[in-house]
Amino acid sequence: SQQGEEDPQALSIQEGENATMNCSYKTSINNLQWYRQNSGRGLVHLILIRSNEREKHSGRLRVTLDTSKKSSSLLITASRAADTASYFCATVGGTEYGNKLVFGAGTILRVKS
Amino acid sequence: DAGVIQSPRHEVTEMGQEVTLRCKPISGHNSLFWYRQTMMRGLELLIYFNNNVPIDDSGMPEDRFSAKMPNASFSTLKIQPSEPRDSAVYFCASSLAQLGGELFFGEGSRLTVL
Repeated sequence: SQQGEEDPQALSIQEGENATMNCSYKTSINNLQWYRQNSGRGLVHLILIRSNEREKHSGRLRVTLDTSKKSSSLLITASRAADTASYFCATVGGTEYGNKLVFGAGTILRVKS
Repeated sequence: DAGVIQSPRHEVTEMGQEVTLRCKPISGHNSLFWYRQTMMRGLELLIYFNNNVPIDDSGMPEDRFSAKMPNASFSTLKIQPSEPRDSAVYFCASSLAQLGGELFFGEGSRLTVL
């Protein structure tokens, strides 16, 4: 299966702390994306990192990609209560996997104020 | 832009009834995706369209499910007859790219089949 797997399944931190979520996948990929989902809402795209990139930043978000280990991490710095949500990684495999975007099971992040 | 618009937001129906979920993608996006989200199975891709044409429906669980996209601004996902195991949140998403690009999701349609 191409599906990414997030780790940990759930994370609870204090406001102001950093949150790190990891994603592992099994196949070669074209790109990897991270999405956020607030309770009862749709998914929102956060960041896309291509297979030839190693690190990408967007505001308080930092994403790394290690294709040799087939893993990615999402770091949220200086977390806020509003960051409480589920976070999903999604991988885009090659032609043999239909170039489809496949989502992992997600990490539930709770930021306590 | 209004974003991807889905209706209804909530649907409660009885087993055996027909259910139709609707989606209006973002104007100018040429790809549309239907996903289903459950606690047990997570997010599953059911079907996607490119330029109104169904490209891959391998994720559609069975013949009770059908999807159409009669024009660039409207798509439907129909379940007939519905069963309790179809209870889930159904998401529609659209994209500028055919595959591999950023997806823009609607708020979802929460379906409960009694």
